[in-house]
Amino acid sequence: AQTVTQSQPEMSVQEAETVTLSCTYDTSESNYYLFWYKQPPSRQMILVIRQEAYKQQNATENRFSVNFQKAAKSFSLKISDSQLGDTAMYFCAFIHAYSGAGSYQLTFGKGTKLSVIP
Amino acid sequence: EPEVTQTPSHQVTQMGQEVILRCVPISNHLYFYWYRQILGQKVEFLVSFYNNEISEKSEIFDDQFSVERPDGSNFTLKIRSTKLEDSAMYFCASSEAGITEAFFGQGTRLTVV
Repeated sequence: AQTVTQSQPEMSVQEAETVTLSCTYDTSESNYYLFWYKQPPSRQMILVIRQEAYKQQNATENRFSVNFQKAAKSFSLKISDSQLGDTAMYFCAFIHAYSGAGSYQLTFGKGTKLSVIP
Repeated sequence: EPEVTQTPSHQVTQMGQEVILRCVPISNHLYFYWYRQILGQKVEFLVSFYNNEISEKSEIFDDQFSVERPDGSNFTLKIRSTKLEDSAMYFCASSEAGITEAFFGQGTRLTVV
């Protein structure tokens, strides 16, 4: 079974600065997808960014980018020019690319609480 | 922009009662999920639903739980004989294909007293 580990329960960053959130995962599969989800105080889960394991190029989405190291099974999220609205829980998640059972369940890490300080 | 809608946003129920949590997935999506998040903990998979049947369920999803897609648009989670430890945020999610982005609803906060 796959596991996702986020080793930083809480982090803080000054507004306009850059912060990196860490995530490692464990799987025996070679084809999978990784995600970062944001959960603001409203508790809704919002997709931030997605990475396909077969792609070597790191995904970017405006101020958000990832550092995907497949051999190390590492998937960190970098937030540039941090804004107050980035304050949230951030969850790293994993999904296998193929499921014969018709289920593509997400496996989540425990989350990192990010606070952006004005 | 299409979205997953969950009702109610907050449900308070007496221990032992049955509750039904409702979800309207995005209309062209084929995969449906329920996840649970106990306060302060990580999001946990409960069940997935595809082709009008349960495709996978976790250890949490025992006989106390059931899901239905009664009318082609709604997707419900029923919890029978609720226990205090069922208090959590319940998220419905849907995706167009299995590996595409899962869109989450805003969640239903269930409080069992």
